[in-house]
Amino acid sequence: KAGVTQTPRYLIKTRGQQVTLSCSPISGHRSVSWYQQTPGQGLQFLFEYFSETQRNKGNFPGRFSGRQFSNSRSEMNVSTLELGDSALYLCASSLTPGTNYGYTFGSGTRLTVV
Amino acid sequence: DQQVKQNSPSLSVQEGRISILNCDYTNSMFDYFLWYKKYPAEGPTFLISISSIKDKNEDGRFTVFLNKSAKHLSLHIVPSQPGDSAVYFCAASGNAGNMLTFGGGTRLMVKP
Repeated sequence: KAGVTQTPRYLIKTRGQQVTLSCSPISGHRSVSWYQQTPGQGLQFLFEYFSETQRNKGNFPGRFSGRQFSNSRSEMNVSTLELGDSALYLCASSLTPGTNYGYTFGSGTRLTVV
Repeated sequence: DQQVKQNSPSLSVQEGRISILNCDYTNSMFDYFLWYKKYPAEGPTFLISISSIKDKNEDGRFTVFLNKSAKHLSLHIVPSQPGDSAVYFCAASGNAGNMLTFGGGTRLMVKP
């Protein structure tokens, strides 16, 4: 059974550019969440999607957005990149929204903004 | 304001001994807690969880203790093995379906 797949694994972008990251959840999982991991802030929640609807959103500026497709795949977009956006972006999927089942995380996309 | 804190950024333990990782939280609405383990270049892996209706949950070498009055939880690993060396994150949730709030992580090093 394939795990959570995130592409690309590594990305280098310039300040001001925009970036799109992709996440394919485990087959059958319909809930997808995104987290940002930085050395100073740890893991911070970005947003959660279920059945193509955003259910929760973390405390991030509007430059961070996401969406979920009918096949449960999700993308997140960051516009007007800033140096501080350099981080590991992690996607997690679960059968349904609910921490009782535990999330399965992907290996992440390492974004470097220069 | 960090609602979930892991005050020890690192911990070093001898193989075979007990590892105790601690986590404190401030939000009394949290009622579900999880521990994740993370190796470099990989995503966090779910380890063990506990509901607020319990004070202890055990799974093999891993035991999580919850002290609600102190808003404190701990993860015990007995016996510790070199393969346990990783970063451990505790996480909390208000109820099923809510986002996870993570602590900053503790790097555990188990020496042979």
